Amino acid sequence: NAGVTQTPKFRILKIGQSMTLQCTQDMNHNYMYWYRQDPGMGLKLIYYSVGAGITDKGEVPNGYNVSRSTTEDFPLRLELAAPSQTSVYFCASSYEKLSTEAFFGQGTRLTVV
Amino acid sequence: GEDVEQSLFLSVREGDSSVINCTYTDSSSTYLYWYKQEPGAGLQLLTYIFSNMDMKQDQRLTVLLNKKDKHLSLRIADTQTGDSAIYFCAETPPDQTGANNLFFGTGTRLTVIP
Repeated sequence: NAGVTQTPKFRILKIGQSMTLQCTQDMNHNYMYWYRQDPGMGLKLIYYSVGAGITDKGEVPNGYNVSRSTTEDFPLRLELAAPSQTSVYFCASSYEKLSTEAFFGQGTRLTVV
Repeated sequence: GEDVEQSLFLSVREGDSSVINCTYTDSSSTYLYWYKQEPGAGLQLLTYIFSNMDMKQDQRLTVLLNKKDKHLSLRIADTQTGDSAIYFCAETPPDQTGANNLFFGTGTRLTVIP
């Protein structure tokens, strides 16, 4: 009963490095999302996908890229890490739009130094 | 973006009721939600309410919606130490661009004192 799985849980990057945050779900959900959570702030949507092969920008997409080659996986790529990208990243999925329940992963805490 | 506001902290004694408040700006929001985040975990949906409802009750949880004042509250009866967490209010505006977005408040950290 895995739900939404994110890896890694923690990562420290140097400025300018790149990395991919992995997200996979086993609930056959069409909709997947990436959020970032900054201290004392609500979650902000980075990118979302309504199905395999379809992605779109959210509120704060700059500095990130995504792909959705399968229903299960929705990786988030940081090409040139910057200190402003220090945050906790959450992946989520839902069967339909967010009017129904969204299931969240445990989060990835990323620090860029 | 939308503006969803919550107070940051709330402390209550075990057994008392907790009331967590939220104000939102988009009067045309279709759904309003309460999510719970326990330490080191992702968010978990607690309950949600359609915008055409005033109240929803689910066991120890009562959600009240005042559309005129754009105010949403979550009442937890008989608060337990396991209720200690961060509670996020969120709204879904009407689908205008297909953004499928949830706008979250800053979260209220509830501390339950034994």
